[in-house]
Amino acid sequence: AQSVTQPDIHITVSEGASLELRCNYSYGATPYLFWYVQSPGQGLQLLLKYFSGDTLVQGIKGFEAEFKRSQSSFNLRKPSVHWSDAAEYFCAVGPDMNYGGSQGNLIFGKGTKLSVKP
Amino acid sequence: DAMVIQNPRYQVTQFGKPVTLSCSQTLNHNVMYWYQQKSSQAPKLLFHYYDKDFNNEADTPDNFQSRRPNTSFCFLDIRSPGLGDAAMYLCATSRARAPNEKLFFGSGTQLSVL
Repeated sequence: AQSVTQPDIHITVSEGASLELRCNYSYGATPYLFWYVQSPGQGLQLLLKYFSGDTLVQGIKGFEAEFKRSQSSFNLRKPSVHWSDAAEYFCAVGPDMNYGGSQGNLIFGKGTKLSVKP
Repeated sequence: DAMVIQNPRYQVTQFGKPVTLSCSQTLNHNVMYWYQQKSSQAPKLLFHYYDKDFNNEADTPDNFQSRRPNTSFCFLDIRSPGLGDAAMYLCATSRARAPNEKLFFGSGTQLSVL
């Protein structure tokens, strides 16, 4: 079965420090992978996505993620965190179209809450 | 400008009293989704509409229903809310029903059940 694991429930970093949020997935084929961000009291916003091709994906707000098939990982990174990045971050994997998965039904991880210290 | 609008932002209902949450979109997207997100958990898809075609997830309780009277509006009806239904309810849209189509989320409705 498809699944997404975000091992870190809560991470605190200092403003200006680098950030890496971990995501591991279990999937039967080449996955569609996503990172979404959810600010407090808001809906989710897409940061970036990976379907194929270059394994290093650039997103909005200075974020990037790297797909590593050998490690089944899709970690999110940012070289310098800003206070406005404090939010919850969700990794998600797309449905397995080859197995008739519900289209548009993303499987989300449980999220990593990011706090930023001044 | 908000493209997916959910009303109300906060909703309080009583145990067993039917409640309706609304979602509207200005994107003219074909697909509208409803998710339930409990505290500190991932969003869970309840159902979605592809145009007028309703698609229920297998594990969505019968207590949850939905209506889409036109392209722009979609409603979530909870017939007899229980304490366990207290959650954030997120509406989302996409242009088409495919994994490579970006989802646009509303800000959600936080439902409390007393």
